[in-house]
Amino acid sequence: GAGVSQSPSNKVTEKGKDVELRCDPISGHTALYWYRQSLGQGLEFLIYFQGNSAPDKSGLPSDRFSAERTGGSVSTLTIQRTQQEDSAVYLCASSLTGDEKLFFGSGTQLSVL
Amino acid sequence: GQNIDQPTEMTATEGAIVQINCTYQTSGFNGLFWYQQHAGEAPTFLSYNVLDGLEEKGRFSSFLSRSKGYSYLLLKELQMKDSASYLCAVSGPGSGNTPLVFGKGTRLSVIA
Repeated sequence: GAGVSQSPSNKVTEKGKDVELRCDPISGHTALYWYRQSLGQGLEFLIYFQGNSAPDKSGLPSDRFSAERTGGSVSTLTIQRTQQEDSAVYLCASSLTGDEKLFFGSGTQLSVL
Repeated sequence: GQNIDQPTEMTATEGAIVQINCTYQTSGFNGLFWYQQHAGEAPTFLSYNVLDGLEEKGRFSSFLSRSKGYSYLLLKELQMKDSASYLCAVSGPGSGNTPLVFGKGTRLSVIA
């Protein structure tokens, strides 16, 4: 596609429910990243994929968070048993192999009530 | 670990020049990025500095001093559309697709 696509753009859920956030990277970009942006905070790194494998999961805040990537393309970030502190904008970015310049999607605004 | 500091907010007048500073302490360093983020939108790439010195790109310039752990973004001839958050991000250590570490961003308001 022309850019990084994320869905849904907005998600409202109740505490304790599971949510899935989707990211479609730019075609041909082998590296994919998930970041979280809370109000007044910087972008917090969550996880990074190179192809379908995740060499760096160090930013996942708890075992309620997981992510997968299939076919070297689409990635899904899953948050189980959501908590109110999970409310944030979840941003996905992709880049070419060996290039650290990131192209970001518009994000998913997650609100946990 | 990595620590990145930049001012939280700045205000400047349309037509003026503004300098947004960023300092960093890192365990490894490849280069420094600046991104622009309008409210509710995706961050977009502005500049990337690897070597010391000033890189100029139209109204925007970015400076890096590796020895001082210091960078700035210079915006000239400010326009109202420049009102946005400006994010400083550091890459490294390691090679290839090392995840960027971002500062908290500087929210710039351009007033008439």
